[in-house]
Amino acid sequence: GESVGLHLPTLSVQEGDNSIINCAYSNSASDYFIWYKQESGKGPQFIIDIRSNMDKRQGQRVTVLLNKTVKHLSLQIAATQPGDSAVYFCAEKEASGTYKYIFGTGTRLKVLA
Amino acid sequence: NAGVTQTPKFRVLKTGQSMTLLCAQDMNHEYMYWYRQDPGMGLRLIHYSVGEGTTAKGEVPDGYNVSRLKKQNFLLGLESAAPSQTSVYFCASSATSGRPAYNEQFFGPGTRLTVL
Repeated sequence: GESVGLHLPTLSVQEGDNSIINCAYSNSASDYFIWYKQESGKGPQFIIDIRSNMDKRQGQRVTVLLNKTVKHLSLQIAATQPGDSAVYFCAEKEASGTYKYIFGTGTRLKVLA
Repeated sequence: NAGVTQTPKFRVLKTGQSMTLLCAQDMNHEYMYWYRQDPGMGLRLIHYSVGEGTTAKGEVPDGYNVSRLKKQNFLLGLESAAPSQTSVYFCASSATSGRPAYNEQFFGPGTRLTVL
């Protein structure tokens, strides 16, 4: 089985409830942030992104909030479904002009039926 | 449109053996990256390339070499594998600007490498 994520924090949510996953980023100069979803045995999959000149962005059932004051990012998933079970992690892009990303360690989301 | 593909999917090596991991993308992306993913840690950048014929070191480059002879391919080589290189390796690519997303990275499915 997939060994990545053995020591990750876990969030357990009842199906149909909303999920909130948090991420603290490291660089106050980072200008772009992405949330990824990674299912067992697969590569990371883009969920939603946000630029540093925004504090909120909404997608389909997902919302990302950015608080630059405290360097905090959150992902909200509405009406969580069993298919949402995965590891979620954030990534920050270092300041403009670079294409390097710093990735968080991730949170495992378990959806309870 | 296959996106980012990686070969092989799994590999077991003995210490000291060499191998090459192949990454291919069909999105005409300029940037390509190699990461490793280990339990309890975020993705760590090994090497990256900002265009055909160019490569640069990332966060953890020691023990690895790369080549980008063609724009669509990015190869990761291990000359003398060590148990510390047991990991899951991901390749990614990104465009230089514009949508579908601002520098979003597209990832391959990964290669699970075990070094005994």
